[in-house]
Amino acid sequence: SQQGEEDPQALSIQEGENATMNCSYKTSINNLQWYRQNSGRGLVHLILIRSNEREKHSGRLRVTLDTSKKSSSLLITASRAADTASYFCATAVFSGTYKYIFGTGTRLKVLA
Amino acid sequence: GAGVSQSPSNKVTEKGKDVELRCDPISGHTALYWYRQSLGQGLEFLIYFQGNSAPDKSGLPSDRFSAERTGGSVSTLTIQRTQQEDSAVYLCASSFSGGGSTYEQYFGPGTRLTVT
Repeated sequence: SQQGEEDPQALSIQEGENATMNCSYKTSINNLQWYRQNSGRGLVHLILIRSNEREKHSGRLRVTLDTSKKSSSLLITASRAADTASYFCATAVFSGTYKYIFGTGTRLKVLA
Repeated sequence: GAGVSQSPSNKVTEKGKDVELRCDPISGHTALYWYRQSLGQGLEFLIYFQGNSAPDKSGLPSDRFSAERTGGSVSTLTIQRTQQEDSAVYLCASSFSGGGSTYEQYFGPGTRLTVT
């Protein structure tokens, strides 16, 4: 099964509200990354948090990482219609080489 | 500079035919990844190239799938005797790598493969 599981699978909010997405994983990681995907094509990197970090900010994004619970959350504050997309977490797992395991994604819809 | 490019952007093929998908990574990126994404699903890891090391092929779903990376740059993913279940978007990504750490991946726009 997937290393990462996002929760919720789908989220619909009003513009200006905050959106929170969660990611759980199973094995030890080097880092965890969040990506955004529009229109089912290429992904765009949002933020990377390393295993020794607990929180990271980038603009309206805030990511937390709890390695004891093997979970991460992505918070988007003051959401905009342009934030409508699918969001994926990806864990970097080392097993001889580094491999990224992507979660199943959260589909976010921001209503204007 | 230029990002990751993939060609073709769309490919329709008949069941049983072979297809080749191409990926041009960002210059200087030593790591290259191929993923497959079915409609509305997450990304499925296929294969990973790192510099001159042997590729990690652990994600290839069957021996009909193969990939190569020539000169540490351009990569080609080949699917032989395509089946309808191979229909998906195939995504390529590249990144820096090394120093015992990993870095963000830069994705191409993908190739949408439809097997009829």
